[in-house]
Amino acid sequence: SYELTQPPSVSVSPGQTARITCSGDALPKQYAYWYQQKPGQAPVLVIYKDSERPSGIPERFSGSSSGTTVTLTISGVQAEDEADYYCQSADSSGTSYVFGTGTKVTVL
Amino acid sequence: EVQLVQSGAEVKKPGESLKISCKGSGYSFTSYWIGWVRQMPGKGLEWMGIIYPGDSDTRYSPSFQGQVTISADKSISTAYLQWSSLKASDTAMYYCVRQSSSPPLWGQGTLVTVSS
Repeated sequence: SYELTQPPSVSVSPGQTARITCSGDALPKQYAYWYQQKPGQAPVLVIYKDSERPSGIPERFSGSSSGTTVTLTISGVQAEDEADYYCQSADSSGTSYVFGTGTKVTVL
Repeated sequence: EVQLVQSGAEVKKPGESLKISCKGSGYSFTSYWIGWVRQMPGKGLEWMGIIYPGDSDTRYSPSFQGQVTISADKSISTAYLQWSSLKASDTAMYYCVRQSSSPPLWGQGTLVTVSS
């Protein structure tokens, strides 16, 4: 079955830039979505359609795509950005979705 | 307001059946796929499957095929996730998601606890 691969963890100092990658064979054809999840809370969409930012999401969150890898970038990381981040996309058929394994972002 | 509202928390015993719901409002329910997501305690998000309420076309993730049933009643704009015989390992938070390229829309989640 289709898989999306993320690094287990990313550590970053406040004010620096965090980059989280997500790799999958169908990513050149399918949109990617990124979710932030803090302990005890529901996931929050931070990026959709590879690089679109929902209303209410700070501008420091951005998304990009290159080949089979999509990247979530958090510029000027703040302590409140410490969370788990999941990418999501579909396989080449377009209706079988999958989440990445998740990346824990730690703000040092 | 466009929203998905899920049914309340459930506490069940192993072997019991269960059907949880997800009601859409504020949009054309039959025009968007609705998916279900599982999150076991302390674990990541898992995609279970998806249904198109317009024609009930349903696709299951391989891990969940045969384990659950996804259905929808378009007359009342509601999607369902059901189990015929619950196991302790079904204890989890379950979310429904209106999956589309416009921002996806999530329900608030339903906590299912299975314990003897």
